[in-house]
Amino acid sequence: GEDVEQSLFLSVREGDSSVINCTYTDSSSTYLYWYKQEPGAGLQLLTYIFSNMDMKQDQRLTVLLNKKDKHLSLRIADTQTGDSAIYFCAESYSSARQLTFGSGTQLTVLP
Amino acid sequence: NAGVTQTPKFQVLKTGQSMTLQCAQDMNHNSMYWYRQDPGMGLRLIYYSASEGTTDKGEVPNGYNVSRLNKREFSLRLESAAPSQTSVYFCASGGDTDTQYFGPGTRLTVL
Repeated sequence: GEDVEQSLFLSVREGDSSVINCTYTDSSSTYLYWYKQEPGAGLQLLTYIFSNMDMKQDQRLTVLLNKKDKHLSLRIADTQTGDSAIYFCAESYSSARQLTFGSGTQLTVLP
Repeated sequence: NAGVTQTPKFQVLKTGQSMTLQCAQDMNHNSMYWYRQDPGMGLRLIYYSASEGTTDKGEVPNGYNVSRLNKREFSLRLESAAPSQTSVYFCASGGDTDTQYFGPGTRLTVL
């Protein structure tokens, strides 16, 4: 079945770049997503990439997709304390428009 | 637009009690979803509704029922709550693409 994996924790210094990695298994995924969850809140859509793209940039966010290795990454430039949150990778599958989520990466930004 | 709204925000139940979690969206989306989030396990799909009048089981449907009341509303019912159903419940909706938009969540504790 579909499986999405992420490392659980990442710590960076304020002002540095953060790179959050994700691997997935379903080669037929149409879209891949990054969601952000702040404490006590729901999931906020950050960005997504269509499966025929290699890269997408949106202000401080850069998404890289390596379809051959089924690897997705999210780079946050100039990381700020407000970026501290859990980041979820998700892939779409099937005609029912379902998403499979990873377990989330807790990003901690140190001053 | 309010997006996706959920009620209640918090709930405490005793084992065996029943309750209904409410969800509504104002984005005219066809698809709606119910997830549960448990520590270290990401989000797991309970039930989904691809369109008004249809519902289907997700990964973890046991102990739950759903009703797609109309295009806007999708409710989740626990007929006889168990401590294993202590979790955070998220409703989401999606339109013509696979992108899903989430509500703020309901934090349920079953004693």
